[in-house]
Amino acid sequence: DAKTTQPNSMESNEEEPVHLPCNHSTISGTDYIHWYRQLPSQGPEYVIHGLTSNVNNRMASLAIAEDRKSSTLILHRATLRDAAVYYCILRGDTSGTYKYIFGTGTRLKVLA
Amino acid sequence: NAGVTQTPKFRILKIGQSMTLQCAQDMNHNYMYWYRQDPGMGLKLIYYSVGAGITDKGEVPNGYNVSRSTTEDFPLRLELAAPSQTSVYFCASSYSREEQYFGPGTRLTVT
Repeated sequence: DAKTTQPNSMESNEEEPVHLPCNHSTISGTDYIHWYRQLPSQGPEYVIHGLTSNVNNRMASLAIAEDRKSSTLILHRATLRDAAVYYCILRGDTSGTYKYIFGTGTRLKVLA
Repeated sequence: NAGVTQTPKFRILKIGQSMTLQCAQDMNHNYMYWYRQDPGMGLKLIYYSVGAGITDKGEVPNGYNVSRSTTEDFPLRLELAAPSQTSVYFCASSYSREEQYFGPGTRLTVT
């Protein structure tokens, strides 16, 4: 199964951009890259997803490398509310089954 | 909309007891999922369902059972609880196979 690798933790100053990296060197051609975040004592919250092209939404941007072996979640202006664990997830579809593989997650600390 | 609701919020079980974790969603989503999250770890998929009457195993199904008789409800059954099942359980639902909406979780301790 394709897995993801993320740094354990990162820090950012409030109102500065944050780039959260994710490596997925064994990604297959049909795997989608998803990002979720989890605030303390809450369930995960969807952030963004993509397949090959870069994606933007109201929360963040997702930059996907041309070879798809890595991706970066970009928070354009970090706020204190963005402090959470960010998970990079590959959603595959092998032989008709659903495989959701959560990475280790990056704990983002936002400094006021 | 209430979104995804889970009951109970907390539960302590003795080894060998059984219980059902309830999950309901009011968004008319076809896809529903059960995950567990051990301390300091990411989520692992236990079971999922693509519609009423259809369920399938995820990554860690042993010790659990599910049923999906309606679109709204997706209960998770634990038979013969073991300490290894101490975890936080999250239910989720989605309209498609993409964005998932998670419930607040059930914190289960087996002693």
